[in-house]
Amino acid sequence: GAVVSQHPSRVICKSGTSVKIECRSLDFQATTMFWYRQFPKQSLMLMATSNEGSKATYEQGVEKDKFLINHASLTLSTLTVTSAHPEDSSFYICSARNSGGTDTQYFGPGTRLTVL
Amino acid sequence: QKEVEQDPGPLSVPEGAIVSLNCTYSNSAFQYFMWYRQYSRKGPELLMYTYSSGNKEDGRFTAQVDKSSKYISLFIRDSQPSDSATYLCAMRLNTGFQKLVFGTGTRLLVSP
Repeated sequence: GAVVSQHPSRVICKSGTSVKIECRSLDFQATTMFWYRQFPKQSLMLMATSNEGSKATYEQGVEKDKFLINHASLTLSTLTVTSAHPEDSSFYICSARNSGGTDTQYFGPGTRLTVL
Repeated sequence: QKEVEQDPGPLSVPEGAIVSLNCTYSNSAFQYFMWYRQYSRKGPELLMYTYSSGNKEDGRFTAQVDKSSKYISLFIRDSQPSDSATYLCAMRLNTGFQKLVFGTGTRLLVSP
């Protein structure tokens, strides 16, 4: 149980375009989902906390107008990178809070974004 | 000073060795402690989850929490090449559901 999926797993786009990444909890409902960014050989950097039906809470230094987060249902959150630039190239990982059982975060497999 | 300190490694061991991975932390209010395993280019996978102090065992894995010393450990017995990955410790407070605070991760290499 506690499976989280992400789509796409890899995306390459041109500079200036927008990219949407989906995060789904497959076998549990997640009132809270999290979006992280990870640079090579570094730990996870929390970008924002997404609560179902309300606005996301962004960490300091993360541009909310650039990284749009929508958590429209208990099993789906989306991250849209708007007007992507090469410096946005990174590994983006979502996690979902499973409030039942261990009440901790379960991670998706990640999405590698490359902006040309 | 970081809230959670973890040696980045790499830690190289031969197959069959006992591996000890550790984290120290500064916030005595942390109550929940987790270990995640992350393979290259994959998302972290939850390995162990402990509340407060004590030991927890699951197969070849044992997690220890010593709150008095602000020190947590993950032991891997009979290590296998497939255990080669980065191991991240994480922890959070008890109040509500606070965000996780991660260590930098320790890269483990188990050679055949």
